[in-house]
Amino acid sequence: QVQLQESGPGLVKPSETLSLTCTVSGGSISGSTDFWGWIRQPPGKGLEWIGTIYYSGTTHHNPSLESRVTISVDTTKNQFSLKLSSVTAADAAVYYCARHKGLSVAGSLRYSYYMDVWGKGTTVTVSS
Amino acid sequence: DIQMTQSPSSLSASVGDRVIIICRAGQSISTYLHWYQQKPGKAPTLLIYAASNLQSGVPSRFSGIGSGTDFTLTISSLQPEDFATYHCQQSYSTPYTFGQGTKVEIK
Repeated sequence: QVQLQESGPGLVKPSETLSLTCTVSGGSISGSTDFWGWIRQPPGKGLEWIGTIYYSGTTHHNPSLESRVTISVDTTKNQFSLKLSSVTAADAAVYYCARHKGLSVAGSLRYSYYMDVWGKGTTVTVSS
Repeated sequence: DIQMTQSPSSLSASVGDRVIIICRAGQSISTYLHWYQQKPGKAPTLLIYAASNLQSGVPSRFSGIGSGTDFTLTISSLQPEDFATYHCQQSYSTPYTFGQGTKVEIK
């Protein structure tokens, strides 16, 4: 079965760039209707969707993060990555990667995407 | 952005109780609504997708219903392992948004 694992530095300095990678095992990142994405959860708070990427490179991201977010995919390594620039204390959170499973909805051209496989999460602290 | 509002924010219940959690969307989202369970220190896990479809491996005491703006998650008979936080999420449009969560605690 598909498994996801986040990796990357747990400590980032203010104003620097947070970089995380999600490695997909047990299945291919390519060739299906699924997207792959990132979600974060600040301490004691709710879940915030950051964005997703399709294996072809098509991305969607949360406008609340403005132009700070870059999501990329490396199909040869079966990985996708997140870069968040100019971090502040507000970006400290547990970051999760998740498969966004696509479901065809009868009578609609719009797929429904739900997060059926999650990584365990990685904690990112922002501090100098 | 589509705002998702859950109620209650927390509740106390006993083993065997029937628990109902409500999720309301700020606009109609058809059945583009999913439910997750999250235990402390763990990643969320999918319970229900597309409003009413039980994810494989999830006990049948969990059920979901709704369409448009109003949705409910029901736990028919609360078990000790069900004490957790529950989140709803819409995928009608990006940015996908979550409710604030409902924490189910032991009474």
